[in-house]
Amino acid sequence: QKEVEQNSGPLSVPEGAIASLNCTYSDRVSQSFFWYRQYSGKSPELIMSIYSNGDKEDGRFTAQLNKASQYVSLLIRDSQPSDSATYLCAVTAGGFKTIFGAGTRLFVKA
Amino acid sequence: DADVTQTPRNRITKTGKRIMLECSQTKGHDRMYWYRQDPGLGLRLIYYSFDVKDINKGEISDGYSVSRQAQAKFSLSLESAIPNQTALYFCATRPDREECYTFGSGTRLTVV
Repeated sequence: QKEVEQNSGPLSVPEGAIASLNCTYSDRVSQSFFWYRQYSGKSPELIMSIYSNGDKEDGRFTAQLNKASQYVSLLIRDSQPSDSATYLCAVTAGGFKTIFGAGTRLFVKA
Repeated sequence: DADVTQTPRNRITKTGKRIMLECSQTKGHDRMYWYRQDPGLGLRLIYYSFDVKDINKGEISDGYSVSRQAQAKFSLSLESAIPNQTALYFCATRPDREECYTFGSGTRLTVV
């Protein structure tokens, strides 16, 4: 079992819709959770971090964390073609070891 | 200028050759990392350094070595390149008390 799992996609949504990206992790002591966006051929860029259960909103992005279910998600509202990218989930345990998921490819159709 | 700069951006090399990838950062962070990215496997940690005297192996260090020349510089070497080291390599840095990374623009390495 991979330590951080994401559906590879592609996830295709129409412009203006909500894109929902999911991530599960195996280490119960994980404390910090991150979403990175990576455009094709480019480097990952941090877009959201979340540390406690519940929702965290930043503009069109909402991160959701459920530690009991070992599940973290990213919602993108009013999806735009410019949101088309691969989204990497990253999980850190003990402030030291960060594990990255393989990423979910998102395609937003104009 | 970019916060984390990697050179070269692209490189094609032959099996058995030694190659060095270089990274420099202007963030002033002590912590620096080298990752490789392969399709379907995500980012995997090769080496990391918490300061110029502290260098540690990551999960896939075999076939690689590193040098921390200064706080701002961290280079990755492939002593004898092999085709399965063909990948996208990223250097990254982060603050001591935060767990979010700033990545360089990457080096696409092809070993033929």
